[in-house]
Parts: sequence; structure tokens; C-alpha cells
Amino acid sequence: AQSVTQPDIHITVSEGASLELRCNYSYGATPYLFWYVQSPGQGLQLLLKYFSGDTLVQGIKGFEAEFKRSQSSFNLRKPSVHWSDAAEYFCAVGVSGGYQKVTFGTGTKLQVIP
Amino acid sequence: DADVTQTPRNRITKTGKRIMLECSQTKGHDRMYWYRQDPGLGLRLIYYSFDVKDINKGEISDGYSVSRQAQAKFSLSLESAIPNQTALYFCATISLSGELFFGEGSRLTVL
Repeated sequence: AQSVTQPDIHITVSEGASLELRCNYSYGATPYLFWYVQSPGQGLQLLLKYFSGDTLVQGIKGFEAEFKRSQSSFNLRKPSVHWSDAAEYFCAVGVSGGYQKVTFGTGTKLQVIP
Repeated sequence: DADVTQTPRNRITKTGKRIMLECSQTKGHDRMYWYRQDPGLGLRLIYYSFDVKDINKGEISDGYSVSRQAQAKFSLSLESAIPNQTALYFCATISLSGELFFGEGSRLTVL
């Protein structure tokens, strides 16, 4: 079964600073990888996804993520954080090929300070 | 209108009561999911359905049941609610490209 680890429960960054959120996954084959964002009181919204091809993927709101097979990682990055990026971020791994199941990490809560 | 709609958005109930959370979607997707979110635990899959005749247990199905009334409707029931079922519940559909579309969540408190 697949699993996802997000080692950082809470991260605080200054507005304008760069951001990297870590995600490690466990899955026997090439995974489908996702990053979702949850703003307070809201459901989850897809930021970006990786299925195959270029290992650096671009998403919405200026986010990007890089798939590194050797490290089983899919870290999320943003060069300059805005106050509106404060939210909880979830990494997820999907299994497809007939049955689509998505497993989520425990989330990283991002705080942005002025 | 939202693509995935959950009702009720908030509910407070007592131990032992039967509760139903309803979900409807306008995405036209066949596959629907119920997740539970608890602080520090992320989202955990309760049940998922690939069509009206195909319902599957997720990782934490004990104490829950579901009904897929139509392609667009997927309900989650707690037959006899207990306090540790206090959580935020999300319904979601999934596209063929693997993207999940979530409702805004149903916050359930069991006293």
C-alpha cells in the first residue's frame, strides 16, 4: 500500500521569503503525486500534479514541485511567499490503473509573517 | 453553485444518534469518496464508490456506512454516533486525470 510522509507539521516563513515543503512517498511503482492546499474553513484545492514526463511541474499560484525518484520525494516550492499563501498543504499519492485511490500525508501548516 | 455540495455543513449531535451526511456532485464523475479529516492526521479514506453498484471500504470504515443513490449522490451514515467520530468530513469526486474535487466539508460534533 502507498503512504506519504510530510515531516514538517508547521512552518513559519516571512513574506517574500522562499518556501520548500517536504514530501516523501512510498509506493512500489511510479506514483501519481499531488499537492493540495486547504485554506481555513475550505475544502482542498489542487495546486499541481505529477503523472509522468518532466520531473519539474508547475502549478497554480506560482508553486512548483520536483519529483525525485531516487529520493522518493516530491517537494513543493515557491520562490516568494505571499501572506495569502498561509494555509495547510497536503501531499498525496495516487494509484490508478482501474482503481483510483489517493492517500494523503498529514499536512504542513504554513504561517506567513510580515 | 459548487461542483460538490455537502449537507449539512455543521452538525452537533449526541452519542447514539443516527446521522447522515449527504453529498451531491455536478461534475458528472463516476467515482466518489468520503474522507475524514482530523488535526495532525490528514485525510483518511472512509469509503469510495466507482459507480452505483460498486462500493468499497477505505482504511477507516468501521462505524460508518454509505449509500450511492445515483451517480451524483453519495451519502455517509453513522448508525450510532460516538464522540471519537467528531471530525471534519469531506466528500470528493475524481476526474479521469486523477484530480480530486472536494466539497466544503461537513463538521460533525458528537457529544
